[in-house]
Amino acid sequence: KQEVTQIPAALSVPEGENLVLNCSFTDSAIYNLQWFRQDPGKGLTSLLLIQSSQREQTSGRLNASLDKSSGRSTLYIAASQPGDSATYLCAAYRGSTLGRLYFGRGTQLTVWP
Amino acid sequence: DVKVTQSSRYLVKRTGEKVFLECVQDMDHENMFWYRQDPGLGLRLIYFSYDVKMKEKGDIPEGYSVSREKKERFSLILESASTNQTSMYLCASSLKYRTAYGYTFGSGTRLTVV
Repeated sequence: KQEVTQIPAALSVPEGENLVLNCSFTDSAIYNLQWFRQDPGKGLTSLLLIQSSQREQTSGRLNASLDKSSGRSTLYIAASQPGDSATYLCAAYRGSTLGRLYFGRGTQLTVWP
Repeated sequence: DVKVTQSSRYLVKRTGEKVFLECVQDMDHENMFWYRQDPGLGLRLIYFSYDVKMKEKGDIPEGYSVSREKKERFSLILESASTNQTSMYLCASSLKYRTAYGYTFGSGTRLTVV
């Protein structure tokens, strides 16, 4: 069974800092890895998806990397803003047609002005 | 954009009631999923379906059942609601073969059982 771990569980930083959120997984035979954002009481919003053949994806101030051999993914947030405050979840997709995701517990990010 | 719609944002039900949570997606996705999310436990998979009338148990199926009569709709049923089923319920969908598109989630249903 795929185990996904996210470190740290919580992070509080001042506005403007560059951040790295970490995600590790036990089974390197993943197909995709997807990063989500969740605001309090809301659903999950997809941020970035990295396929196993890729090493990174970028969207605006976000950059996600994937290293299958070491079982790690990182989400880099540049020039953080208070609006980035949310919980960030990573999820690994092992790649059968049944397609279930394995989630980490998330990193709760607070960016203060 | 794919849209996954959960019919209710908030529900309050009484213990012992039969509860239906509805999820509809509009992009012809084969796979659909129901998760529940609880503080400290993260997201846990209840059931999933990869085709009409097909279903598979996830990690915590006890006390739940599902129905998928049409491709776009996946219903979660609490046969006899209990207080320990108070939770946030999230529905998701994905394409079976085009995995590059990832998963899309609904906005969630916060269920309280009293």
